[in-house]
Amino acid sequence: QSALTQPASVSGSPGQSITISCTGTSSDIGHYNYVSWYQQHPGKVPKLMISEVTNRPSGVSIRFSGSKSGNTASLTISGLQAEDEADYYCVSYTTSNTQLFGGGTKVTVL
Amino acid sequence: EVQLVESGGGLVQPGGSLRLSCAASGFTFRDNSMHWVRQAPGKGLVWVSRINSGGSTITYADSVKGRFTISRDDAKTTLYLQMNSLRVDDTAVYYCARSRAGAFDFWGQGTLVTVSS
Repeated sequence: QSALTQPASVSGSPGQSITISCTGTSSDIGHYNYVSWYQQHPGKVPKLMISEVTNRPSGVSIRFSGSKSGNTASLTISGLQAEDEADYYCVSYTTSNTQLFGGGTKVTVL
Repeated sequence: EVQLVESGGGLVQPGGSLRLSCAASGFTFRDNSMHWVRQAPGKGLVWVSRINSGGSTITYADSVKGRFTISRDDAKTTLYLQMNSLRVDDTAVYYCARSRAGAFDFWGQGTLVTVSS
């Protein structure tokens, strides 16, 4: 059960767009559309940002969008804002009936 | 309003046991799959275990299999995690979370488990 692979850090200037990748295998991301993304500010509880690859829960900014191609899912943040600075995690359901997190990506707003 | 409130964390010696609880309210508990997720200090989120609605399907991360047991009491709307043979690397904040379509849509505030001699 190796973690999904995410870049350790991504940065961008206010107003720019950034994309965080999340790479798995044919047994998780490549097999199901049950990929979700979470935002976690320091000392806070994780917050669901994207479910089922592309679905944005009520209340989540339209600046957040998700996609998937093969074994890799992606989270894009458009119009980057200071409040977006946080850690982001991807999760996928697996063929072993388990869930697998990515290692997390620290987003820095320059 | 959906609420998940964990309890039962604390300091325990290596090899010891602890039982975590997660009291749920604001939704139909029995109809939902529930999970435990943990986060070691300064580290990332790690999925620990899942129990489906009805309790017929239970899965664990390899790192806790054979040591941890997840269960639920639908009458008390409470989720549990029995943790035995605790190790230093089990030290973490433990969150309970509700899942729908594979996503954790509600999380508790977490309870800290510290395994140390």
